[in-house]
Amino acid sequence: EAGVAQSPRYKIIEKRQSVAFWCNPISGHATLYWYQQILGQGPKLLIQFQNNGVVDDSQLPKDRFSAERLKGVDSTLKIQPAKLEDSAVYLCASSLSLAGIQETQYFGPGTRLLVL
Amino acid sequence: AQSVAQPEDQVNVAEGNPLTVKCTYSVSGNPYLFWYVQYPNRGLQFLLKYITGDNLVKGSYGFEAEFNKSQTSFHLKKPSALVSDSALYFCAVRDPYGNNRLAFGKGNQVVVIP
Repeated sequence: EAGVAQSPRYKIIEKRQSVAFWCNPISGHATLYWYQQILGQGPKLLIQFQNNGVVDDSQLPKDRFSAERLKGVDSTLKIQPAKLEDSAVYLCASSLSLAGIQETQYFGPGTRLLVL
Repeated sequence: AQSVAQPEDQVNVAEGNPLTVKCTYSVSGNPYLFWYVQYPNRGLQFLLKYITGDNLVKGSYGFEAEFNKSQTSFHLKKPSALVSDSALYFCAVRDPYGNNRLAFGKGNQVVVIP
C-alpha cells in the first residue's frame, strides 16, 4: 500500500514570495491533516479536512496560509506572502476517518521550507 | 486542553542496553496516547498507541510502552537498543474535545552509541 506522498521535498524562497505544497493521502483515507514542525518542536496541527470539508482550522494563520482539498483526495497548502518564521517542515498526514478515537494518522515525508 | 510532556532533550544509551524514553500526560477524561519516531529527513512513523486495555502495549520494531495511570505516564521502552534506533521520538495525545487532533510533545533525540 502506497503511503502519503508529498511534493516538493525541499523549497527555498525569499520572504514575501508565495509557495505551495501538495499532498496525496493514502487511498481511501477520508481525513487529511497539515502540520507545521519548527526545528526543535513537535508538529503543530494547521488544518484538518474530512473529505473536502474543513473540520478544524483554528491554528491556521489565515492572513497568509490557505489550504484546499477540492475533490476530497489531494490537498494543497499555500503560503502567501511567506515570512522568515515560516521556515519549517510541513507534514501531511491522513487517517481512515475522523470519528474513531483510535484512528492512527500516517505521515508523509514532509516538505522542508527555508525562507530567506 | 490535552497535553504531553517529554522532560528530556536527549537520551544516550549504549547499544544492547535497555532504552527508555519518558512521556507524561495531562488530560481530561480517558487518555489516548501515541508514540511516533522520526528519522532524519523523513516523516513521522507510527510505533504504537494506547486506547484501552492492557497497560503494556507492544508496537513496531520491538518497542513497547507502559501506561501508568497513577503516574500519568506512557514511557516508551525497548529491551535492547540498536544503533539504527537513533532518531527523534515523539509522544502525542489525542484530544477528543478538539476534533480528535493530536497534540505532540517536543520530542526526544535518542542516540545509541555503538
